[in-house]
Amino acid sequence: NAGVTQTPKFQVLKTGQSMTLQCAQDMNHNSMYWYRQDPGMGLRLIYYSASEGTTDKGEVPNGYNVSRLNKREFSLRLESAAPSQTSVYFCASSEASTGLAKNIQYFGAGTRLSVL
Amino acid sequence: KNEVEQSPQNLTAQEGEFITINCSYSVGISALHWLQQHPGGGIVSLFMLSSGKKKHGRLIATINIQEKHSSLHITASHPRDSAVYICAVPRVGIKRNQFYFGTGTSLTVIP
Repeated sequence: NAGVTQTPKFQVLKTGQSMTLQCAQDMNHNSMYWYRQDPGMGLRLIYYSASEGTTDKGEVPNGYNVSRLNKREFSLRLESAAPSQTSVYFCASSEASTGLAKNIQYFGAGTRLSVL
Repeated sequence: KNEVEQSPQNLTAQEGEFITINCSYSVGISALHWLQQHPGGGIVSLFMLSSGKKKHGRLIATINIQEKHSSLHITASHPRDSAVYICAVPRVGIKRNQFYFGTGTSLTVIP
């Protein structure tokens, strides 16, 4: 099983460039998430999608946009990259909004992004 | 204010030692999650527990709801246990699918 697949694994951008991080899950999960991880700060939620067609801002949404293309795919776009967006980005998914066991999140392998 | 606090931040142990990582939280919770982040970066869920204790191999997780505290224990530690261990608790209400994350405990087990 592939689980959660993120692409690319590494990316270097210049300030002002744009890019889209792709995420797909094959577990038929309803909820999908984008996080960033910075040293000493833990995982911070950028955007969240409870189901196909819905998205909500997390803690740190500024400078990002998302698209829940269908149930499988949830992409994260940086329209004009800034050095402050240098980070490791993780996509995750979980089964459903109710039930404790269904709240377990499954993570992609991460994308290391450097903005110069 | 951090809703989830972990200690220690860094931990070095000799192979075979018994290891304890602590997590304290300040919010009401339905369950608490322990995650493991491998040196290569991948994150996996180890445990989800709402009471008592759970065991998986050499890993044991405990939670005390009244004290708002959880511990992750590793018995007979091995270099392959070297990783960052992250504690997470779900938010409540309509954001219950979202989590507060601890900053992680970086464990190094030396052969």
